[in-house]
Amino acid sequence: GESVGLHLPTLSVQEGDNSIINCAYSNSASDYFIWYKQESGKGPQFIIDIRSNMDKRQGQRVTVLLNKTVKHLSLQIAATQPGDSAVYFCAESSSGYSTLTFGKGTMLLVSP
Amino acid sequence: EAGVTQFPSHSVIEKGQTVTLRCDPISGHDNLYWYRRVMGKEIKFLLHFVKESKQDESGMPNNRFLAERTGGTYSTLKVQPAELEDSGVYFCASSQLPRQTSGANVLTFGAGSRLTVL
Repeated sequence: GESVGLHLPTLSVQEGDNSIINCAYSNSASDYFIWYKQESGKGPQFIIDIRSNMDKRQGQRVTVLLNKTVKHLSLQIAATQPGDSAVYFCAESSSGYSTLTFGKGTMLLVSP
Repeated sequence: EAGVTQFPSHSVIEKGQTVTLRCDPISGHDNLYWYRRVMGKEIKFLLHFVKESKQDESGMPNNRFLAERTGGTYSTLKVQPAELEDSGVYFCASSQLPRQTSGANVLTFGAGSRLTVL
């Protein structure tokens, strides 16, 4: 399948550790910020989103933090598991059905 | 519910040939998008359909690329003639029109069609 991680920043963690993946965005007018996970040979899969009027949102084992002052978004994964190994993309969009703009992606490698 | 399906999963062609990629969105999804990921880089937007109409085609690289969505159901993306730099993975995604404009546009992606141009 596709080598999803070529030329990407990589974060290597041990199983059970917490992972933090960072993303800088450019459009201060974006209303929504979304994290996607792409495993090798698969399409991007939605993880969690956050609206621009929030600074934190929690899901199952994941937390997204938004800092609009410095245009920074992060994804925290608690108790990282080998199955979390993938490339993670942040994306931004306006409300409605407007286009998603993706960031460059970070490869997460989880060692057992 | 069936997800977004794409065909073929992998196509290898020679420079100058033609390739047509197909996407079947989730039934009932009026939004259909084409994206491309080249050489492990970021995912770049190509085109957005709302039903059968092209809402935004600002990401199409050049006139060698032609996307259609006749009848507002499945979509095809044709590359003719293909060049080496067209190699990459072409993703299709679909979403529903949000009932309220305050909703996030959550796209469901297909597994992608990998194109290799030799």
